[in-house]
Amino acid sequence: AQKVTQAQTEISVVEKEDVTLDCVYETRDTTYYLFWYKQPPSGELVFLIRRNSFDEQNEISGRYSWNFQKSTSSFNFTITASQVVDSAVYFCALISTGGGNKLTFGTGTQLKVEL
Amino acid sequence: EAQVTQNPRYLITVTGKKLTVTCSQNMNHEYMSWYRQDPGLGLRQIYYSMNVEVTDKGDVPEGYKVSRKEKRNFPLILESPSPNQTSLYFCASSFQGLAEAFFGQGTRLTVV
Repeated sequence: AQKVTQAQTEISVVEKEDVTLDCVYETRDTTYYLFWYKQPPSGELVFLIRRNSFDEQNEISGRYSWNFQKSTSSFNFTITASQVVDSAVYFCALISTGGGNKLTFGTGTQLKVEL
Repeated sequence: EAQVTQNPRYLITVTGKKLTVTCSQNMNHEYMSWYRQDPGLGLRQIYYSMNVEVTDKGDVPEGYKVSRKEKRNFPLILESPSPNQTSLYFCASSFQGLAEAFFGQGTRLTVV
């Protein structure tokens, strides 16, 4: 069975603060993929990143960065210098070769960025 | 424009009245799936399809049916909706099962 845990239900920060969203996953497969999706107040789901289990390099995209650590089964997401437009629910998700091609989501973290 | 289109976006219905939520993608993706989103539970997979005429149950398939007669379409059928199926539903497609999924705009269903 595979599982994704996002322990932070809600985070509130003031604009320009850095914020890290935690994601811990469980899988018995050696080949798997991890994802982050953003769900803004308008409701759609926006793909942010896909990372495979063999690539532990951290990734940076503008103000966004991701830290993948297999040793701790974590795939954390950091927003640097947060902005009000970053306010959204963020989901971490996992899919694995042995998991029946099922995308398993965490319960999401609601991020509120205030002025 | 590459997209996944769901209809309707909002639906209020009564218990027991059969309904269909349509989903269509224009990216020639093989893999399609349906999810429901409920507060505190994240998104849970209802059904998925790896190709035409190939479908399988996800985590919460009870009370739902699907069909995949054409590659681009993957409708979700509720034969006898009940109030516990009130939820936000998303259709998704991907190039293959392990690729990133592209989601439709969502369908907010209320069953009274």
